[in-house]
Amino acid sequence: DGGITQSPKYLFRKEGQNVTLSCEQNLNHDAMYWYRQDPGQGLRLIYYSQIVNDFQKGDIAEGYSVSREKKESFPLTVTSAQKNPTAFYLCASSRTGTSLGYSNQPQHFGDGTRLSIL
Amino acid sequence: AQTVTQSQPEMSVQEAETVTLSCTYDTSESDYYLFWYKQPPSRQMILVIRQEAYKQQNATENRFSVNFQKAAKSFSLKISDSQLGDAAMYFCAFYLEYGNKLVFGAGTILRVKS
Repeated sequence: DGGITQSPKYLFRKEGQNVTLSCEQNLNHDAMYWYRQDPGQGLRLIYYSQIVNDFQKGDIAEGYSVSREKKESFPLTVTSAQKNPTAFYLCASSRTGTSLGYSNQPQHFGDGTRLSIL
Repeated sequence: AQTVTQSQPEMSVQEAETVTLSCTYDTSESDYYLFWYKQPPSRQMILVIRQEAYKQQNATENRFSVNFQKAAKSFSLKISDSQLGDAAMYFCAFYLEYGNKLVFGAGTILRVKS
């Protein structure tokens, strides 16, 4: 079955440490996204990528970095510059295109990674 | 900037009854899409229903339907014959074609009483 796999499910970070969250999809989707969810709040966009080797900052990109070397993979690195990294992180993917017909394609989400500070 | 507002942090409904979750949004665009996502305790995001702004007819998916009022920028979700499995956080989302990104509301927790 096609889907999005996020790993690990739980992750801990020490002070000054960078950690990387994995996101892999086998849906053949062009676009991939990273969201952060804090308790009792909605999702906020960190980074997104519409095509391999290209990505854009979302609303809260500071302290995060991404890469998109392969269509299937969009890892997120939480750097030591992110002072409040404790949150639930969701990866998503969707078809993309410039035609209106693709615009209503929903985003498919992974099961998330919960990141905590040690 | 586009915003999505869900004014009800929590709602409760009796099993088999009907409940309506509110959502309003702000945009200057005319072509856009609206979605309702459900997030159960497992935290997985599940698409419930979607609406194209250019369609006047309200979308329906089994027990789920929307009341889309474009002029009022309102997009409410109605759940009929509520079931225990409907208990979850519900997010309203607005699709910005430019940048290909969703803007989410803060969510509404729905509790279903047996």
